[in-house]
Amino acid sequence: QQQVKQSPQSLIVQKGGISIINCAYENTAFDYFPWYQQFPGKGPALLIAIRPDVSEKKEGRFTISFNKSAKQFSLHIMDSQPGDSATYFCAARKTSGSRLTFGEGTQLTVNP
Amino acid sequence: DSGVTQTPKHLITATGQRVTLRCSPRSGDLSVYWYQQSLDQGLQFLIQYYNGEERAKGNILERFSAQQFPDLHSELNLSSLELGDSALYFCASSLGTSGRRITGELFFGEGSRLTVL
Repeated sequence: QQQVKQSPQSLIVQKGGISIINCAYENTAFDYFPWYQQFPGKGPALLIAIRPDVSEKKEGRFTISFNKSAKQFSLHIMDSQPGDSATYFCAARKTSGSRLTFGEGTQLTVNP
Repeated sequence: DSGVTQTPKHLITATGQRVTLRCSPRSGDLSVYWYQQSLDQGLQFLIQYYNGEERAKGNILERFSAQQFPDLHSELNLSSLELGDSALYFCASSLGTSGRRITGELFFGEGSRLTVL
């Protein structure tokens, strides 16, 4: 059962453009929503995270938008750079446990 | 560097064989998680240990087993290997629960790439 659905599967943007990746979840018990970034040959690393009591969180060029009623959240990468080319995973965690349930991943390519 | 160490980085073996993947968590982290990453299925949670005890189980096959030792390192044992077991296996660690505080961030190792021929 896929509890976190992510789209698109792949995304190509030009340098300086905005990258947007979307996720939807089913379980209302989820209370922590992180985004992980993975470069080839490396493990995923935390990029930014949000809790459902806020609708937006911004860290530098990266912003999470969260819509609790729609059970959706998205990652926006402003002024995308070739160095942002990586695979991005959204994830969610329940209050009662600490394991993360990941989305399917989005392979982002930023062309120079 | 996440502080999580996984060995071996690469492993090639034949169908029917058995392998052991090893993980050393970050210093002080009590929870260890194992994830499987294949091309078409993203990151699939296998199993979690907290301070030596199994905490949660995901889509882990009966041919697979894991344990966490008193020094907190963990091993994932994969037996009767099949072609479909070829994947990247990630270990992640977190502080886990400390009193009423639950930390959210998982720190991943660089993975062990298993190829079954």
